[in-house]
Formats: sequence, structure tokens, C-alpha cells
Amino acid sequence: SYVLTQPPSVSVAPGQTARITCGGNNIGSKSVHWYQQKPGQAPVLVVYDDSDRPSGIPERFSGSNSGNTATLTISRVEAGDEADYYCQVWDSRVVFGGGTKLTVL
Amino acid sequence: EVQLVESGGGLVQPGGSLRLSCAASGFTFSSYSMNWVRQAPGKGLEWVSYISSSSSTIYYADSVKGRFTISRDNAKNSLYLQMNSLRAEDTAVYYCARDRKSGYLDYWGQGTLVTVSS
Repeated sequence: SYVLTQPPSVSVAPGQTARITCGGNNIGSKSVHWYQQKPGQAPVLVVYDDSDRPSGIPERFSGSNSGNTATLTISRVEAGDEADYYCQVWDSRVVFGGGTKLTVL
Repeated sequence: EVQLVESGGGLVQPGGSLRLSCAASGFTFSSYSMNWVRQAPGKGLEWVSYISSSSSTIYYADSVKGRFTISRDNAKNSLYLQMNSLRAEDTAVYYCARDRKSGYLDYWGQGTLVTVSS
């Protein structure tokens, strides 16, 4: 089965740029989607199809995907961005990465 | 406004059964595939099951295959998950989520907690 690998944690100071990676075998050939989940809340889609944003998601959230790594980039990080982030692909079924806890210092 | 509201969670003994429901509104339910996703306490997201808009295609995670059954009633705008032979490791918040063609889940319910314990 297809495996997605994320770093357990990423820390960044407010106003800086956070990059959260998602590794998978030839993931560049797949569409990658990203979700934000804050404590006690349901996940929220923040990027789909590698780099598209749903309506209402700030432009600070962007995505890229190439080779064996997809990346979620959050520019000008704010305290409110502190959350768990999950990448996801479809590989005959929904596959999630293990999640990355973003800490805003 | 798209809304997904899960219900049916609760405390059940190991080996017991539970049926979860997800009531959909604000969109044409019969046009969309749906999923169940769960999250054990303090853990990550785990996909559980998928059902196509017409129920013609169904998938299950290996961890629940043979024990869980996904179904839907398009006339009632509802999605279901029948869970049998429940185990302690099935303890989780269960979310229903709407599926889009390229495989992403664009709307999620608030979740319902299932606790399997004696």
C-alpha cells in the first residue's frame, strides 16, 4: 500500500515561512491534498490538487509537488496557523500522511 | 451551505455493534461519493470506507474489512456505517466527508465519538 511520510513536527516564528513536507514514491505523479486540523475540530481542506486553494483559504497557504516530495508552504505564519497538518492522496483509496504538528514559537 | 452531521456514536462493549449516520444538506447528496474517516485519541487521520454516489463502488480499509458496512440512502440524504464485532482499537472520532473527483475531501462533519470498552 502507498505510504506518505511527514515530519512529526515543524516549528516557526511568527511572520516566517513554514514548509511541511510529504514524501511518497513518485508522489509527483499524484494529486496531493492538504488539511489543517485544530484541537477538537474537524479537518479543513486548505490545498487541493497540489496547489489550488478552496475559497476562504488565505493566499498564504500554497502547495507544490514534484518527484518524491510534496510541500505545503505557509507564508507569514500567524499564531492561528498552529495546528496539525495532513497530506493526502488517492491510491485506490484515500491515503493520509501521519500528520505534522506546526508550532508557532 | 454544505452541512454534514454525524450521529450514533457512544459507548459499546467489545464485540458489540453500532450504526453511525451522517445527515447531509446544502448540496445534491446523490451526486457525490462519500467517505468515513476516523481518528483515535491523540492519533492521526485514518480512512475507513468509501462509497460512490450510486453505491456501485465500495472500498474498505483492511482494518475494518468484514466487520464494517458502508451504505447510503440518497432519498434520505444520509450516509451510514454499520460497525460490528467492535474492538478497543476502533475507539475513535468518526467523521463523514464528501469526496471530490480527484480524491480530496472538501467538507467534513463535526464527528461522532465511538468508545469501545468494557
